[in-house]
Amino acid sequence: DGGITQSPKYLFRKEGQNVTLSCEQNLNHDAMYWYRQDPGQGLRLIYYSQIVNDFQKGDIAEGYSVSREKKESFPLTVTSAQKNPTAFYLCASSIGERQHGYTFGSGTRLTVV
Amino acid sequence: QQPVQSPQAVILREGEDAVINCSSSKALYSVHWYRQKHGEAPVFLMILLKGGEQKGHDKISASFNEKKQQSSLYLTASQLSYSGTYFCGTAGGAAGNKLTFGGGTRVLVKP
Repeated sequence: DGGITQSPKYLFRKEGQNVTLSCEQNLNHDAMYWYRQDPGQGLRLIYYSQIVNDFQKGDIAEGYSVSREKKESFPLTVTSAQKNPTAFYLCASSIGERQHGYTFGSGTRLTVV
Repeated sequence: QQPVQSPQAVILREGEDAVINCSSSKALYSVHWYRQKHGEAPVFLMILLKGGEQKGHDKISASFNEKKQQSSLYLTASQLSYSGTYFCGTAGGAAGNKLTFGGGTRVLVKP
């Protein structure tokens, strides 16, 4: 079955460490997105990519980096510059045209220890 | 800016109806609606495009008033499975499908 796979499901990071969250899709979608969700709040856009080898900053890109070397993959690195990284991270994909909805992955819960 | 959802929370008895509103200060091209169960990923319900259409998904329907930059989600004859947090996501006039999400409306349906 087609879908989006995020890994790991849970991730613990020490202060000052960089960590990378994986996002892989086999839906043949052009566009991919990373959102951050804090408890009881909505989703805020970190980065998005509409095509391979191209990506744009979202509303809260500081302290994060991404790459889009393959259509299927859109990894997110949470760097040490992100001062408050504890959150639920959601990856999504879509065909890219405005009349299509998103398919979300199951998320990665990142905790700083 | 983030669209504003109201109410923030609603409690229903099975079979009751509810309306969730989503308002934006910017011109909209489309409005998406998603439902998220606790600890899970949001699930796509429906999309409404510029043109003021209304859509339905089982007994959940929605409308989009582009002049008022508002959308409403209608939960009719609610079922226990309707419990969760509902988010609207809005896309403006720029190309692409980048969504800005509202803060969510928590819905609890009781037996």
